[in-house]
Amino acid sequence: GQQLNQSPQSMFIQEGEDVSMNCTSSSIFNTWLWYKQDPGEGPVLLIALYKAGELTSNGRLTAQFGITRKDSFLNISASIPSDVGIYFCAGQKMRAGGTSYGKLTFGQGTILTVHP
Amino acid sequence: GAGVSQSPRYKVAKRGQDVALRCDPISGHVSLFWYQQALGQGPEFLTYFQNEAQLDKSGLPSDRFFAERPEGSVSTLKIQRTQQEDSAVYLCASSLARGGTQPQHFGDGTRLSIL
Repeated sequence: GQQLNQSPQSMFIQEGEDVSMNCTSSSIFNTWLWYKQDPGEGPVLLIALYKAGELTSNGRLTAQFGITRKDSFLNISASIPSDVGIYFCAGQKMRAGGTSYGKLTFGQGTILTVHP
Repeated sequence: GAGVSQSPRYKVAKRGQDVALRCDPISGHVSLFWYQQALGQGPEFLTYFQNEAQLDKSGLPSDRFFAERPEGSVSTLKIQRTQQEDSAVYLCASSLARGGTQPQHFGDGTRLSIL
């Protein structure tokens, strides 16, 4: 099935460093979301973006919805050990008529490792 | 708890057996989604319910997969005549409103292994 192109696939960083990851698509999405998934658990929503160009922050996390509506990025500032996990971007499309069932299309994930 | 609950957490079955996976959404949530997550991949959409109505089943990989939500709350995903490629984590998510206007809250999934 279709998945978004997410990069990088993995990152190994030192505690305190900033992190940046992005997601691209060949088609337009009307909503972009970023999730974090820890081993053995379900994805947890970090940030949701609803408008092209929107820049939204949640604590040390900042995400932007690309102007073309085909991409998004997530930044994490001053990383800490508990940031370790897998980060997924996800997009939602509108159906014809302007409605959306809300099904999510996910990227392949970015595995983040933070060394203390 | 108040979150999405899935059971069992782990299921091992022999190839050819039927399995049933259960999802208890957050109380009052109208929308319910099932996703399949293969190892090392992002979740992939299987099917969507709005209350008891299955409005989208375009992601179900074959007619061996069947989902129901008869009373608009608990949902069951059934896989008949399981095959090794069915091995994955099956995630359930629910959201308060119809469609994509509210965030989806995920359960911790059922890890299915087919021997």
